[in-house]
Amino acid sequence: GEEVAQTPKHLVRGEGQKAKLYCAPIKGHSYVFWYQQVLKNEFKFLISFQNENVFDETGMPKERFSAKCLPNSPCSLEIQATKLEDSAVYFCASSQSAGNTIYFGEGSWLTVV
Amino acid sequence: DQQVKQNSPSLSVQEGRISILNCDYTNSMFDYFLWYKKYPAEGPTFLISISSIKDKNEDGRFTVFLNKSAKHLSLHIVPSQPGDSAVYFCAAHGTASKLTFGTGTRLQVTL
Repeated sequence: GEEVAQTPKHLVRGEGQKAKLYCAPIKGHSYVFWYQQVLKNEFKFLISFQNENVFDETGMPKERFSAKCLPNSPCSLEIQATKLEDSAVYFCASSQSAGNTIYFGEGSWLTVV
Repeated sequence: DQQVKQNSPSLSVQEGRISILNCDYTNSMFDYFLWYKKYPAEGPTFLISISSIKDKNEDGRFTVFLNKSAKHLSLHIVPSQPGDSAVYFCAAHGTASKLTFGTGTRLQVTL
């Protein structure tokens, strides 16, 4: 598609439940990024993919968080056993190649109660 | 360690005047800089970018200036319009490709 598509837009989970977010990058883009926005104006890089391969995972919490980009499927970000502090907006983004402009989706709002 | 800094959390400008948003960075490995505009409850929208080999890039009402020696960039919007009211983020990346964001400047364009 012509834009980065993220689903769901809103997700509410009880503490300890699993949360899974999905992202379809712009068609033709081979890089996918996940960012977390916790405080109103702070973006934290989580992970990036080059096609289905992890490119940079330096921002991913070691426990509970995982992500995949499989061929012919939307990319996903999964949080096992959610905690209250996981409440945030999770943005997916994509770019055509390394060093190019990165385009963002509308975000998925996760609320952990 | 805030590698990209936007020291003005907010800015108010009258319609028709110039808006100047500033950004400083510390990492000399950054080679590509971008400005994003963000409305509440929406994702960041790409506005304009500049490569480190340039010192100016212009697109309509938006111009970005880069001063590499000072590690400083600025976004000029002229003339400012009420629809420009949003939060503006400066972002940078180097060879690792991931973006490092500033903390944003809220621009309010008044009538």
